[in-house]
Amino acid sequence: EIVLTQSPATLSLSPGERATLSCRASQSVSSYLAWYQHKPGQAPRLLIYEASSRATGIPARFSGSGSGTDFALTISSLEPEDFAVYYCQHRSNWPITFGQGTRLEIK
Amino acid sequence: QLQLQESGPGLVKPSETLSLTCTVSGGSVSSSSYYWGWIRQPPGKGLEWIGSIYYTGTTYYNPSLKSRVTISKDTSKNQFSLRLSSVTAADTAVYYCARDFTVATYAFDIWGQGTMVSVSS
Repeated sequence: EIVLTQSPATLSLSPGERATLSCRASQSVSSYLAWYQHKPGQAPRLLIYEASSRATGIPARFSGSGSGTDFALTISSLEPEDFAVYYCQHRSNWPITFGQGTRLEIK
Repeated sequence: QLQLQESGPGLVKPSETLSLTCTVSGGSVSSSSYYWGWIRQPPGKGLEWIGSIYYTGTTYYNPSLKSRVTISKDTSKNQFSLRLSSVTAADTAVYYCARDFTVATYAFDIWGQGTMVSVSS
């Protein structure tokens, strides 16, 4: 089973700032890495798939990078609606696993 | 526009079996392009993949739940279902069904709204 480790656990930033979230895999997942945004009371929303492709309707301020074992989600300039929990997830083999999440909070 | 909707009891007694159904509208569980999955989130915790089913009926399960989980599909009703046996309080969670667009995004691109299931006597 591939373990995904996200860092930091919590990130405190202000609107307008740049956010960089990390996801590290215990073994290579190639580019089969996705990122989700999750807000309370809502379903998770797919942001990035295959490490760097934005999902339909996702603003350009969200970008993904990396391959193999090290990945990053970058939000170039935080909007108020971006404060949420973010999860990475791999789909390189079975079983699928999620990272433990990074909480992005308003400073 | 494809939509998913979970349904089932919101309260299950310990040691009993949790049963949920996901109804797919605007798409087909028989499509070879997708897996159909179940994911849960216990209160205050992160997302946990439970398992997925392909149009062929092939299933994959989380090893930590495998002995208790069964995922099946009903093509005639365009639904897929989750059964989790011998539940305990640790199975209390919001349960989501989701589409895994395996030939394109290799990710869960469409989710149901989620349904809260509590395990309590």
